[in-house]
Amino acid sequence: GESVGLHLPTLSVQEGDNSIINCAYSNSASDYFIWYKQESGKGPQFIIDIRSNMDKRQGQRVTVLLNKTVKHLSLQIAATQPGDSAVYFCAERPGGYNKLIFGAGTRLAVHP
Amino acid sequence: EAQVTQNPRYLITVTGKKLTVTCSQNMNHEYMSWYRQDPGLGLRQIYYSMNVEVTDKGDVPEGYKVSRKEKRNFPLILESPSPNQTSLYFCASSFSDRVAGYTFGSGTRLTVV
Repeated sequence: GESVGLHLPTLSVQEGDNSIINCAYSNSASDYFIWYKQESGKGPQFIIDIRSNMDKRQGQRVTVLLNKTVKHLSLQIAATQPGDSAVYFCAERPGGYNKLIFGAGTRLAVHP
Repeated sequence: EAQVTQNPRYLITVTGKKLTVTCSQNMNHEYMSWYRQDPGLGLRQIYYSMNVEVTDKGDVPEGYKVSRKEKRNFPLILESPSPNQTSLYFCASSFSDRVAGYTFGSGTRLTVV
């Protein structure tokens, strides 16, 4: 895999369990948040997003929760599968700025 | 297939030898951006472009140049590469900076010796 993952915190789960990946964001003015999945040798792939006027959004097997009070974002993956093994990044968009600020990432390792 | 294409995927070069990493998207996206990814630091923005002939610096622009002569292409230029530019580079595009997330390319692994 890419060396980018060497220094990342790792979450290990059993196949079929639910996973929760957490992220603390930095800017209270951020108005948009995204979770990305990065598999080895590939670019980040969009999973799910949420705007700051929401506190929860659900997709297929994934749920994002936003707690603006403590500037915390989480990604919940239901019934985790081996194909979910990857590095997961949260990203925030500071309001009015044309960029995303990415977290350092969390490696999810799914064991059979 | 809608995609962002970067070339080359891997490049080893020597200090001071100018190089260009190409990026092309086929989605008619207005917004394009370059990021570098380093261990423990996540993705950091180098340059971005809102549209043709409109470019601006990101967080780590030193040592890099970009151009946006056509909507689909956004090359990254290293005029005089140095070892601290050894990194994994990603190009990304989106229809608008205010809408949804980016589509990323597959990355370019650059090593400067």
